[in-house]
Amino acid sequence: ELKVEQNPLFLSMQEGKNYTIYCNYSTTSDRLYWYRQDPGKSLESLFVLLSNGAVKQEGRLMASLDTKARLSTLHITAAVHDLSATYFCAVLGNYQLIWGAGTKLIIKP
Amino acid sequence: EAGVAQSPRYKIIEKRQSVAFWCNPISGHATLYWYQQILGQGPKLLIQFQNNGVVDDSQLPKDRFSAERLKGVDSTLKIQPAKLEDSAVYLCASSLEGAGADTQYFGPGTRLTVL
Repeated sequence: ELKVEQNPLFLSMQEGKNYTIYCNYSTTSDRLYWYRQDPGKSLESLFVLLSNGAVKQEGRLMASLDTKARLSTLHITAAVHDLSATYFCAVLGNYQLIWGAGTKLIIKP
Repeated sequence: EAGVAQSPRYKIIEKRQSVAFWCNPISGHATLYWYQQILGQGPKLLIQFQNNGVVDDSQLPKDRFSAERLKGVDSTLKIQPAKLEDSAVYLCASSLEGAGADTQYFGPGTRLTVL
């Protein structure tokens, strides 16, 4: 059974700092998604990673995938307040996505 | 392009009552998903439709939950009777292809409170 673990679950950081969110999964998969959720809002797709070594970047966010280590990272560069949200990774399992518990990110001015 | 529409946005009911949620996916999307998201957790898939057929409903509590997707477009999710632990946000999503092979686009959700 595929399990997806994110850490940390909660992260409070200062603007301008860099940090990384980790997503580990337990069995082989060839597709991983990152989503963002603002408080009281729905889920917004950020990235889809399809192969080992894949890297995607959008603004201050960069996601990567290591299928051998079963690990994806979401790196935040020079954080700004607008990036405060909960970030989820979701891994393709047996014909469905299995979701992590989410990382709640608070960025303080 | 219009996104995934859901209604109502909020619903408060008493336990043992019934409730229904409606979803209209993005036009042309063959696959529709219903998720349950409990506060502080990731979404949990309840049911997946491909056109008007059920692909996966293994995590749907079938003694109280039911869902249908008539004509392969709109869908309704019903809970009857509701329990306190059903309090959650119910999210509908759609994608062009199925089985997680394509990006899922989410609606705004329905926040259900069971008293």
